[in-house]
Amino acid sequence: AQKVTQAQTEISVVEKEDVTLDCVYETRDTTYYLFWYKQPPSGELVFLIRRNSFDEQNEISGRYSWNFQKSTSSFNFTITASQVVDSAVYFCALTDDSGAGSYQLTFGKGTKLSVIP
Amino acid sequence: KAGVTQTPRYLIKTRGQQVTLSCSPISGHRSVSWYQQTPGQGLQFLFEYFSETQRNKGNFPGRFSGRQFSNSRSEMNVSTLELGDSALYLCASSLARGGTDTQYFGPGTRLTVL
Repeated sequence: AQKVTQAQTEISVVEKEDVTLDCVYETRDTTYYLFWYKQPPSGELVFLIRRNSFDEQNEISGRYSWNFQKSTSSFNFTITASQVVDSAVYFCALTDDSGAGSYQLTFGKGTKLSVIP
Repeated sequence: KAGVTQTPRYLIKTRGQQVTLSCSPISGHRSVSWYQQTPGQGLQFLFEYFSETQRNKGNFPGRFSGRQFSNSRSEMNVSTLELGDSALYLCASSLARGGTDTQYFGPGTRLTVL
């Protein structure tokens, strides 16, 4: 069975600090996809990134960066120079491509990030 | 391109009633998935529809059902509402089956059961 663990329930940082959100996953499949979503107070889940299991290259998008390490089953998310607008709940999620028909996103419990001005 | 839309945004019902939620996917998307979000259980998968057929179902009782129309719009129905059904219900759409493609979410319908 798939499982996603986000051990950090809540994090508070002061504006302009860097912050890393941890994500550890479990799956028996060799082909799988990892995602990060942002949920601001409005409630809508906003897609941030999708990464497949065969692509371990780290990715940077502006102030956001992601570190994917299969050896430790982790897919961590770093925000550089945090801003108040980054305050939200961030979810890590996993799905597989096993062909068995699951195709469902398994979410972690989320990490609530508060950026203090 | 318009995003995923969900109606209504807010609903208040009483125990025993039934409710229908609607989801319009992004134009061209054929897969629609539904999720329930509660403070205690987090985000949980309800079911996925693709080409008007339910392809996968999460661990929810039969009171939760859905359907998809030929234009890919989807509805979710909950019968005999219970207090525990109070939640944010999120709909997501994707071009292909959810596991191989990115799912884009709507704003959700917040259901309160009194």
